[in-house]
Amino acid sequence: KNEVEQSPQNLTAQEGEFITINCSYSVGISALHWLQQHPGGGIVSLFMLSSGKKKHGRLIATINIQEKHSSLHITASHPRDSAVYICAVTDNFGNEKLTFGTGTRLTIIP
Amino acid sequence: SQTIHQWPATLVQPVGSPLSLECTVEGTSNPNLYWYRQAAGRGLQLLFYSVGIGQISSEVPQNLSASRPQDRQFILSSKKLLLSDSGFYLCAWAGTDTQYFGPGTRLTVL
Repeated sequence: KNEVEQSPQNLTAQEGEFITINCSYSVGISALHWLQQHPGGGIVSLFMLSSGKKKHGRLIATINIQEKHSSLHITASHPRDSAVYICAVTDNFGNEKLTFGTGTRLTIIP
Repeated sequence: SQTIHQWPATLVQPVGSPLSLECTVEGTSNPNLYWYRQAAGRGLQLLFYSVGIGQISSEVPQNLSASRPQDRQFILSSKKLLLSDSGFYLCAWAGTDTQYFGPGTRLTVL
């Protein structure tokens, strides 16, 4: 079973700062997901990636398959980015089941 | 476009009562469907997944069961709720490039 670890668990930053959240996993995967969960509980998928790098607006996700590590970056952070960011992986067995990290609670102070 | 519905949004039930949570998906056919739970202060955990009608796989031993009576319908049930069943329940389906999550049901067992 894959073990997914995220760091930091909590992160508080000033508006405008560059944010990095890290994720590592223990076993080979078919894909890694970055999810965003807002206080109401709803979850939105930000990225799914299996190699390289993806960018969407101020968000950038990278993955290093050899090192089993991914990072989520937020540039020019804003209070509306405050949320829990969750890393999740799907294994290589084709059933698309997700194994989740425990999440990183991000708070951006104006 | 793809849409995923869950109901009810919130539910308060006494210990020992039955449970039925429903999830329906629109805009796709033969999706892989998933039930996840997020207990208070904990990460997301996969409970059940289904790759087709009548096909259910359970990930953890528990007080819950799942059924898939139709292609785009996924139901989570319990005959007798326990206090430990409290949590936030999310239904999801696997698209080609991401997983789509429903709005969730917040269940409180008293």
